[in-house]
Amino acid sequence: AQSVSQHNHHVILSEAASLELGCNYSYGGTVNLFWYVQYPGQHLQLLLKYFSGDPLVKGIKGFEAEFIKSKFSFNLRKPSVQWSDTAEYFCAVNPNQAGTALIFGKGTTLSVSS
Amino acid sequence: NAGVTQTPKFRILKIGQSMTLQCAQDMNHNYMYWYRQDPGMGLKLIYYSVGAGITDKGEVPNGYNVSRSTTEDFPLRLELAAPSQTSVYFCASSSLTGGGGYTFGSGTRLTVV
Repeated sequence: AQSVSQHNHHVILSEAASLELGCNYSYGGTVNLFWYVQYPGQHLQLLLKYFSGDPLVKGIKGFEAEFIKSKFSFNLRKPSVQWSDTAEYFCAVNPNQAGTALIFGKGTTLSVSS
Repeated sequence: NAGVTQTPKFRILKIGQSMTLQCAQDMNHNYMYWYRQDPGMGLKLIYYSVGAGITDKGEVPNGYNVSRSTTEDFPLRLELAAPSQTSVYFCASSSLTGGGGYTFGSGTRLTVV
């Protein structure tokens, strides 16, 4: 079965530290890839997405992600985190087949201390 | 610009009671989804719909039912509530099969006691 793995369950950083959250998926065909963010008490919001083209995609709030097809990975990065980045981050994959829905990872909680 | 509207925001049910979680979108999206979110488990797909009159089961459909009589509405029905259904429920919609990303509602926090 297709799956999405997020290896870090909880990441704790100080402000200005760099961030990288891992995401791997288990589908061999063409995929669309997403990162969503959920701030405390809120619903999920789209951070960035990859469909095709340049494997380095830039999203909102200074986040970026790199698609590495050979590693089935789509890691999220940010050079310098802020306290306001404290949230839960979800990686999601769409296997690009008609009638299928997004498959989400279990999420990574990011806590940033000021 | 309402997007996806979910009601209610909070609800406490007793075991065996039934209720309907409402979801409506005003973006003319064909695709709609129901997920449940449990701590440390991410989002699990309950049901989804690719258009009015068409629904299909997701990963965790047991104990739930859905209908899609219009493009706008996609209610989720719990017939006999159980403690295992305590969760946060999110409705989402998209214009393609997730290819364009989802728009999420604000969620319904349900507690079954």
